[in-house]
Amino acid sequence: AQSVTQLDSQVPVFEEAPVELRCNYSSSVSVYLFWYVQYPNQGLQLLLKYLSGSTLVKGINGFEAEFNKSQTSFHLRKPSVHISDTAEYFCAVTGGATNKLIFGTGTLLAVQP
Amino acid sequence: GAVVSQHPSRVICKSGTSVKIECRSLDFQATTMFWYRQFPKQSLMLMATSNEGSKATYEQGVEKDKFLINHASLTLSTLTVTSAHPEDSSFYICSAHKGDRGRYEQYFGPGTRLTVT
Repeated sequence: AQSVTQLDSQVPVFEEAPVELRCNYSSSVSVYLFWYVQYPNQGLQLLLKYLSGSTLVKGINGFEAEFNKSQTSFHLRKPSVHISDTAEYFCAVTGGATNKLIFGTGTLLAVQP
Repeated sequence: GAVVSQHPSRVICKSGTSVKIECRSLDFQATTMFWYRQFPKQSLMLMATSNEGSKATYEQGVEKDKFLINHASLTLSTLTVTSAHPEDSSFYICSAHKGDRGRYEQYFGPGTRLTVT
């Protein structure tokens, strides 16, 4: 079975400050990892994904994430956040033939001026 | 691109009636579509996996007779909430998978807000 843990339900940060959103996973098979962003009353937009290869993955809107197999983590980072980055961020994992995505509980990134 | 649409975006219905939500992949063929339910300030809960031309696979605890899923074509899946009750009020999101080997991302629709009065 696979699972995803996002320990921080909410992360407040000031504009232009760096931010890290934490994601840990567990899986007995090879994993493919994703970060999605959800703005209020909208669907999910893919930020970035790790399938294979380089463990440092760059995504849209200046976000990046690093896959760390030994620590079973896939933390999301941005060096300087904007007010417009305020949203809910979901980490997700898949790894089986069914292509099912298992989501974490989400982290609300609250950027303050 | 990979655009997925949902219709309607919002619907209000009376208790006891049925509501149909459509999920369409606009610029690609989706061999598999997924239906999720999201409660306020919570994560997405997978309800069922829908494969074109076959019966949907429901997750444990999801009532098949209440949430009817049809995937009649490679670009359309529908979710019908039958005999809706206030506790069915939620945000329903669909996603679509292209089915190409080695690519695992799902493309999400904008969601449908269902309110049952």
